Amino acid sequence: GENVEQHPSTLSVQEGDSAVIKCTYSDSASNYFPWYKQELGKGPQLIIDIRSNVGEKKDQRIAVTLNKTAKHFSLHITETQPEDSAVYFCAANPKYSGAGSYQLTFGKGTKLSVIP
Amino acid sequence: KAGVTQTPRYLIKTRGQQVTLSCSPISGHRSVSWYQQTPGQGLQFLFEYFSETQRNKGNFPGRFSGRQFSNSRSEMNVSTLELGDSALYLCASHRGPGDNYGYTFGSGTRLTVV
Repeated sequence: GENVEQHPSTLSVQEGDSAVIKCTYSDSASNYFPWYKQELGKGPQLIIDIRSNVGEKKDQRIAVTLNKTAKHFSLHITETQPEDSAVYFCAANPKYSGAGSYQLTFGKGTKLSVIP
Repeated sequence: KAGVTQTPRYLIKTRGQQVTLSCSPISGHRSVSWYQQTPGQGLQFLFEYFSETQRNKGNFPGRFSGRQFSNSRSEMNVSTLELGDSALYLCASHRGPGDNYGYTFGSGTRLTVV
């Protein structure tokens, strides 16, 4: 089955600096890669996603890049703010089909701390 | 529109008891998936329901079960609770086959087994 590795497990940055979180996946059939942010006491919230036919996607201060050949994808947060402090999860979807089930395999998460 | 609603938010149970957790998906979403989240294992897939049918099941013992009703609401049940079942149980809502977008998660039910 799919295996998603996420690094680093913890990351501390100064406010205003950039943060980068990296993930690798094992199943070359995976074609959808979402990123979730989880704040304390809440469920994960989808913040950005990328599909296999795209190499990069941006949404204001966050961006995701995908290298299908190397089977890795990354989350980039620029101009970090204290409210960016949270746990971030990457995921890959290897099992989607038109009539089949839908399942995400998640990385273990990165705890991002933005220091004011 | 209303998000994914999970009840209860917190639950304390004793070993050996059983528990039922509830999830109401976003209106129009017909697929509901359940995940267990623990500090050591992260987010692990439990099962997925669509149109009242279990579509997929993760690697969990038979003590973990679920069902989905005609209105897409879902429940999961854990019988003969063990200390290791203490976790955050997350429900995720999805439109269903043909919709290749991410889940919308609920806030979860925090289960503590003592």
